[in-house]
Amino acid sequence: SAVISQKPSRDICQRGTSLTIQCQVDSQVTMMFWYRQQPGQSLTLIATANQGSEATYESGFVIDKFPISRPNLTFSTLTVSNMSPEDSSIYLCSVATGEETQYFGPGTRLLVL
Amino acid sequence: GENVEQHPSTLSVQEGDSAVIKCTYSDSASNYFPWYKQELGKRPQLIIDIRSNVGEKKDQRIAVTLNKTAKHFSLHITETQPEDSAVYFCAAHGRDSNYQLIWGAGTKLIIKP
Repeated sequence: SAVISQKPSRDICQRGTSLTIQCQVDSQVTMMFWYRQQPGQSLTLIATANQGSEATYESGFVIDKFPISRPNLTFSTLTVSNMSPEDSSIYLCSVATGEETQYFGPGTRLLVL
Repeated sequence: GENVEQHPSTLSVQEGDSAVIKCTYSDSASNYFPWYKQELGKRPQLIIDIRSNVGEKKDQRIAVTLNKTAKHFSLHITETQPEDSAVYFCAAHGRDSNYQLIWGAGTKLIIKP
């Protein structure tokens, strides 16, 4: 399986500011995804990061709030914009390497004050 | 839309006993069913998966069974150990869902000493 890293691992931010989360994979992957996980909850897909084109967002998530970049097959960023306390969560990237199996990064714990 | 239901939400078993977690999916076209284990503060980790052309798969103390007719699949853990305590998520992949997974709500497994 791929080795996936995320930066930062955690952050505390003030409301109204933005945070960019990076996801790096040690090999080229077919698909990259961004999830949000509230404490004690399941995984909610935010969007699929498409290489060379705009991300595909799930219902309830919009590009203005969660802009995503994927400049190549090993790297993606998720920005949480104009943050509010409701954005406090764990943000996870995952990758699929050509089959359906997804592997997850370690996550970014975000607290918005 | 496609849906995955997971039961129970919490399962408490005596160490050494077996644990069974069940999931039901709605899309008959789903063809891939992974199970993930998430320990507290950690990322979800794939523990076993099964494809629709197989009825059962086993890996040491863990097994997964699939009933395509009834559209449900189950995770079986035998001889449970304290390190099995975690949250377990099932998921289903649809044939045309572009590698996306539909997630169950999760089961918190507690192993009592």
